[in-house]
Amino acid sequence: DIQLTQSPSFLSASVGDRVTITCRASQGISSYLAWYQQKPGKAPELLIYAASTLQSGVPSRFSGSGSGTAFTLTIKSLQPEDFASYYCQQLNSYPLTFGGGTKVEIE
Amino acid sequence: EVQLVESGGGLIQPGGSLRLSCAASEFTGRVDYMSWVRQAPGKGLEWVSVTDIRGTTNYADSVKGRFTISRDNSKNTLYLEMNNLRVEDTAVYFCAAVDYGPGSSGPFFNGLDVWGQGTTVTVSS
Repeated sequence: DIQLTQSPSFLSASVGDRVTITCRASQGISSYLAWYQQKPGKAPELLIYAASTLQSGVPSRFSGSGSGTAFTLTIKSLQPEDFASYYCQQLNSYPLTFGGGTKVEIE
Repeated sequence: EVQLVESGGGLIQPGGSLRLSCAASEFTGRVDYMSWVRQAPGKGLEWVSVTDIRGTTNYADSVKGRFTISRDNSKNTLYLEMNNLRVEDTAVYFCAAVDYGPGSSGPFFNGLDVWGQGTTVTVSS
């Protein structure tokens, strides 16, 4: 099975900060990686797919990059509504594993 | 846009069975692939299972042999039959539609782009 390691697990930041979250795969997954945002009590929402393609309706301050085993999610200028948990997921092979998550909190 | 609504969660004793349902507003090509994902209290997301429109299935090792995913295309409904439930199966269960594209050696997945609101399963004596 492919393991995904996200870092950091927790992140304290302020509005306007640039935030970067890393996701590392235990083996190469090409660009079959998605990022999700989840707010408390809500279902996750797809932000980015194919490692770097922004899902329709997602603000352009979000971006993704990487391929193979190393991926990043960047929020260019953190907004109040961005304080949430973020998860990566590999869709290269079964089981379709998720990373452990990163909680972005207000500093 | 497709809307998904889960139901069937509840409190069940260890060793018991439960069937979750996920009703879709439409069951066209938009939901050829459907998946279940769960989230234990205070924990991260865990992928559970996926099925396609023909009924091909895949499961996480943690549920293989105990859970069965299925769909009734005539009722626009996805199911998750859960048997021999364990305390560690306690979670919110989400159903989701899998966005995919055609590939040279078969379809490839983009991500889970439509989610239900979740249904809570509590396994406890």
